[in-house]
Amino acid sequence: EVQLVESGGVLVQPGRSMKLSCAASGFTFSSFPMAWVRQAPTKGLEWVATISTSGGSTYYRDSVKGRFTISRDNAKSTLYLQMDSLRSEDTATYYCTTDYPAYWGQGTLVTVSS
Amino acid sequence: DVVLTQTPPTLSATIGQSVSISCRSSQSLLHSNGNTYLHWLLQRPGQSPQLLIYLVSRLESGVPNRFSGSGSGTDFTLKISGVEAEDLGVYYCVQGTHAPRTFGGGTKLELK
Repeated sequence: EVQLVESGGVLVQPGRSMKLSCAASGFTFSSFPMAWVRQAPTKGLEWVATISTSGGSTYYRDSVKGRFTISRDNAKSTLYLQMDSLRSEDTATYYCTTDYPAYWGQGTLVTVSS
Repeated sequence: DVVLTQTPPTLSATIGQSVSISCRSSQSLLHSNGNTYLHWLLQRPGQSPQLLIYLVSRLESGVPNRFSGSGSGTDFTLKISGVEAEDLGVYYCVQGTHAPRTFGGGTKLELK
């Protein structure tokens, strides 16, 4: 059974940092480009970042460029999202997903508020 | 960025009724490799999105065949032939032809 399990979402103050993790199992993680997609409360889905299978190529939406870093550890079948200089508009549920959107995690809530 | 416009934003249906959702793109979604990377997702209340249809018309494994997708270029349609209670939620189209990946605004399917 395919599983993507996110962790790390908490309440954090604006300007602070946070790192999300996503543990994958049930499929060959190293063969799939991976992505983070977020959903602000009561809003739609928004792509955040994508990483290639090797980790050598990364892509970001403009609003997070220079603040967020996507990475992966294929040996541990784990995807990460380092989020720095957080803003209130980053408040959302963050989903780990295969870039081709077949598999999704359950999401982890990040709340940025003072 | 490619803009995907879904209509209607809300859809009220009775059980057994057939319904359609439109997704229109601001640019052609035909990739130079011949594929059209337009997919459909369903997000049930309180759940993560799930893939229903990929590459315009291919049914994801385990998805009931009352769901079907069609279209080309910039105009795409998701059809549900006989709505069931478990189909309620928000439907999204998503494109992967042009970077960055973008999603439609969603269509909420409700019971009438």
